[in-house]
Amino acid sequence: AQSVAQPEDQVNVAEGNPLTVKCTYSVSGNPYLFWYVQYPNRGLQFLLKYITGDNLVKGSYGFEAEFNKSQTSFHLKKPSALVSDSALYFCAVSSLYSSASKIIFGSGTRLSIRP
Amino acid sequence: DADVTQTPRNRITKTGKRIMLECSQTKGHDRMYWYRQDPGLGLRLIYYSFDVKDINKGEISDGYSVSRQAQAKFSLSLESAIPNQTALYFCATSDPRGGGTQYFGPGTRLTVL
Repeated sequence: AQSVAQPEDQVNVAEGNPLTVKCTYSVSGNPYLFWYVQYPNRGLQFLLKYITGDNLVKGSYGFEAEFNKSQTSFHLKKPSALVSDSALYFCAVSSLYSSASKIIFGSGTRLSIRP
Repeated sequence: DADVTQTPRNRITKTGKRIMLECSQTKGHDRMYWYRQDPGLGLRLIYYSFDVKDINKGEISDGYSVSRQAQAKFSLSLESAIPNQTALYFCATSDPRGGGTQYFGPGTRLTVL
């Protein structure tokens, strides 16, 4: 069965510092991994995804994520945080082998960037 | 994403009432989904549809039904609403050629009293 874990409910970072939001996954076969961001009163917006290729994936708003197969992780990172990055972040996983290729979402991590 | 719209955006109703949430998309995607979001639980899949004639239950379909009226329209109904169905509901679409990326509507905040 597929599963995804976001071990931190909240991450607090000072503006200008690097940030990391953690995600680990379990899936049969090769994973498709995603990060989404949700701003207040908005739907989820796609940030980036890993399907195959380079382990370091670059996405929107300066975010990137590193796929680590041995640690089954896909942590979201940004070198220098902005106050506007404050939002709720969701990691998600699917695979070609999952029934109907649907996505499983983590419980979300609230990122708070202080000025 | 303006390509996926949901109506209404907010709804307050009473226990036992029938409620319909509507979703429309202009992305031309065959695949559509309904999720509910609860604090600390992330998004949970209620129903999904891979085309007009294909509708499938998700992990929490009890108490819900859906209708895929056209490629662009996917409605979610609560036949007899109960308070624990109070949540934020999202519609999403995807194109399998896009590696599974989903595109979400703005959400409907439903409160059942």
